[in-house]
Amino acid sequence: NAGVTQTPKFRVLKTGQSMTLLCAQDMNHEYMYWYRQDPGMGLRLIHYSVGEGTTAKGEVPDGYNVSRLKKQNFLLGLESAAPSQTSVYFCASGEQYFGPGTRLTVT
Amino acid sequence: GQNIDQPTEMTATEGAIVQINCTYQTSGFNGLFWYQQHAGEAPTFLSYNVLDGLEEKGRFSSFLSRSKGYSYLLLKELQMKDSASYLCAVRDWRNRDDKIIFGKGTRLHILP
Repeated sequence: NAGVTQTPKFRVLKTGQSMTLLCAQDMNHEYMYWYRQDPGMGLRLIHYSVGEGTTAKGEVPDGYNVSRLKKQNFLLGLESAAPSQTSVYFCASGEQYFGPGTRLTVT
Repeated sequence: GQNIDQPTEMTATEGAIVQINCTYQTSGFNGLFWYQQHAGEAPTFLSYNVLDGLEEKGRFSSFLSRSKGYSYLLLKELQMKDSASYLCAVRDWRNRDDKIIFGKGTRLHILP
């Protein structure tokens, strides 16, 4: 039982590059969330999903896309990375369980 | 929209009691969460309140007043390991749109 896992743990991108962050959970949760955390800003909701095949926008969705093709996986995509997307990204499964985070730097 | 306010920083002494307040404004309130986050780590769940009143769990208690849009987290018998950020989050449910929004967090410093 791994709980919530995130890959990768660290990544450095150049401006304009694309990447996908993967969140996986083995607790059969319907709800999954993607947040970003910046100093002094707290956790801000990017996108979330209330079940397989569904996604919805959060507080700061611009520049990101998501997909939930399988219940256990929630993917966050950056199509054209910008320095403003340098942050720590956390995935949450249900209301109680967070992944370890992905530290992304965009240069 | 939603608005969640909590103090930015607080300081307390080992062995003492500290209360961290959180006020919120939302039109579709459906529960309030408290999390603890140590520097460089992921948040961990502490408590959930959906009805008015006090929920006690060991050294930690959480209180909710829905009519006042107010909650607090009470930490007793403070230990050095309680030095962390404490995050208040509100579940907002409107028009089948169900999401959890966080405040900016309160950084708690414990002095020996």
